[in-house]
Amino acid sequence: GAGVSQSPRYKVAKRGQDVALRCDPISGHVSLFWYQQALGQGPEFLTYFQNEAQLDKSGLPSDRFFAERPEGSVSTLKIQRTQQEDSAVYLCASSLVVQGPGEQFFGPGTRLTVL
Amino acid sequence: QKEVEQDPGPLSVPEGAIVSLNCTYSNSAFQYFMWYRQYSRKGPELLMYTYSSGNKEDGRFTAQVDKSSKYISLFIRDSQPSDSATYLCAMGGEWNRDDKIIFGKGTRLHILP
Repeated sequence: GAGVSQSPRYKVAKRGQDVALRCDPISGHVSLFWYQQALGQGPEFLTYFQNEAQLDKSGLPSDRFFAERPEGSVSTLKIQRTQQEDSAVYLCASSLVVQGPGEQFFGPGTRLTVL
Repeated sequence: QKEVEQDPGPLSVPEGAIVSLNCTYSNSAFQYFMWYRQYSRKGPELLMYTYSSGNKEDGRFTAQVDKSSKYISLFIRDSQPSDSATYLCAMGGEWNRDDKIIFGKGTRLHILP
C-alpha cells in the first residue's frame, strides 16, 4: 500500500502569508506526528494526534502554528503570518500503535521557504 | 547541552570499510533507542530499534547500546555507496501520550566507490 504522503512538496511564502500543509497517513494508522526539521538538524517534535484527538501540542513554537485531524485520518498543519524562522522541512509521520514503542513511518516532507 | 549529541560529519569512508556512527545522551530516562536513515529530500526511515543495553544485529547493521555510559553506536559492515545518507539517532522514554522521540542532528555519511 501507499506510504505517508504530504503536499505540497515545496512551498514558497512571503513573510506574513498563511500556509497550510497536508498529511495523508497510512490507512488505519492511529497515531500521527508532525515534526519540524531545520537545515542540518534532526526532526523536532511539534504535535501528536491519536485518531482525531490532539494529545500533545507542546512542541508547537508559537500560537501561529495550528494542527488538526478532524476525522482521524488526514491532518493539516497551518502556519499563520509566516516568519523567516519558519523556513524548514515539515515532516509528518504515522504509526499503527497507540501505546508502546512503535515504528513511525515518515512522509517525504514539505519544504517551506519564507521570503 | 542538548539531550542528544551527534557529530554532524560529514564522514567519508571507502567502499567496503566498516562505518561507526555514535551518539551520546544525557537523559537517563531514555529506554528505547533507534537509528533512522534519511536520504536527501526524503523522510527518515527506521533502520534499527533496541530497548536495552547490548547489541542487536540485522544484516550488515549492528546497533549497540551502553546505558551506563549513555552511548549508542551503529556499525555498518561492508559499506556500499547506497549507504550514503544522513543517519539519525533517536531515543525516548516509556511510551505514553506525554512522551516524544528526541532526535540527534544526524551524521552525513559518504561511501566512496
